Amino acid sequence: ETGVTQTPRHLVMGMTNKKSLKCEQHLGHNAMYWYKQSAKKPLELMFVYSLEERVENNSVPSRFSPECPNSSHLFLHLHTLQPEDSALYLCASSQVVLGGNTIYFGEGSWLTVV
Amino acid sequence: DAKTTQPTSMDCAEGRAANLPCNHSTISGNEYVYWYRQIHSQGPQYIIHGLKNNETNEMASLIITEDRKSSTLILPHATLRDTAVYYCIVRTHTGNQFYFGTGTSLTVIP
Repeated sequence: ETGVTQTPRHLVMGMTNKKSLKCEQHLGHNAMYWYKQSAKKPLELMFVYSLEERVENNSVPSRFSPECPNSSHLFLHLHTLQPEDSALYLCASSQVVLGGNTIYFGEGSWLTVV
Repeated sequence: DAKTTQPTSMDCAEGRAANLPCNHSTISGNEYVYWYRQIHSQGPQYIIHGLKNNETNEMASLIITEDRKSSTLILPHATLRDTAVYYCIVRTHTGNQFYFGTGTSLTVIP
């Protein structure tokens, strides 16, 4: 148990569907992240929110839309995805403090696009 | 953030110490060294981090060379559950980005 909870753990969706991934952190952190991990590839940073404002967006396609309504919740809205978007999506959170900014991950949401 | 270089894979006998090296020759004075591991199909797990002094916790020890250009993660008594991909990351403590490379795939052999 890392204090970061992701739902659903597994999702299968068609290319025309709209779905959302949810993340909740119980650590009192002020920054949240979405990462994508495709098969046999390194983790890719998608979005970073700090103090509920997006501070990093690594040119992710617009079919992925993040939302951070408060410091404890993060969503990833999905629409008209492609089969190559099938991957493990990881949420993480952190708190910037003097002495280090340790990031904690959830268990991930496995997404399959058919 | 500085780039890191790690061996692609390593084996370690169960019960022996696992020593995982990481090169970060372009590290800056205000950058920390972080280690994470990822067991198959799970989210990465924080292990340890340090700036310039050696660090130890219940999971591992981190040895950073005096010039800070390399470090070694030590798992003192490796178990089968330590089989995972280990990532070495170098970053400032105020930066928001954590960039993961390909890491080292450690296999603990019975």
